[in-house]
Amino acid sequence: DAKTTQPPSMDCAEGRAANLPCNHSTISGNEYVYWYRQIHSQGPQYIIHGLKNNETNEMASLIITEDRKSSTLILPHATLRDTAVYYCIVRVAGRRALTFGSGTRLQVQP
Amino acid sequence: NAGVTQTPKFQVLKTGQSMTLQCAQDMNHNSMYWYRQDPGMGLRLIYYSASEGTTDKGEVPNGYNVSRLNKREFSLRLESAAPSQTSVYFCASSLLVGEGHEQYFGPGTRLTVT
Repeated sequence: DAKTTQPPSMDCAEGRAANLPCNHSTISGNEYVYWYRQIHSQGPQYIIHGLKNNETNEMASLIITEDRKSSTLILPHATLRDTAVYYCIVRVAGRRALTFGSGTRLQVQP
Repeated sequence: NAGVTQTPKFQVLKTGQSMTLQCAQDMNHNSMYWYRQDPGMGLRLIYYSASEGTTDKGEVPNGYNVSRLNKREFSLRLESAAPSQTSVYFCASSLLVGEGHEQYFGPGTRLTVT
């Protein structure tokens, strides 16, 4: 399985950009990178996903390196409501499940 | 749209009791999933249904059964609850199974088995 490595925790000041890194050095060519977050025991919330190109939506931007071995999730203007655990997931080809690891606990500070 | 809804929100069972967790989605998705999340752990897939009329085992299916009642509804049944099944259960849905299709999750059912 393609594994992901994320820092266990990060802090960010409110209003600043939050940049969350993820390493996935064993990713295969047809595997997507997904980002989800979980706010205090709520159901995981989908944020964004990508294959090769950078992606942007109303919530965040996803930057994937050219060799696809790492990616960064960018929350452009973090708010207190963005405090959550953020999961970087590489979907294994042919697998049905999203495999959630430990994630990064992002604390947005006022 | 309500998205993915789950009932009940909380449940306490005694060992050996049975119950059914209900899940419904209004996004016209074809695929639905049941996960469990133990304290401090990631989610693990119990069962999934790629489309109406089909169900398949996930990583931790023992002790559970599922029914895909129709396109909207996917239920999870515990026939004889055990303390090891104390967990938070999340239902999810996606347009299709497979890469490139994001999953949307419900709010969860918090189950305690004593």
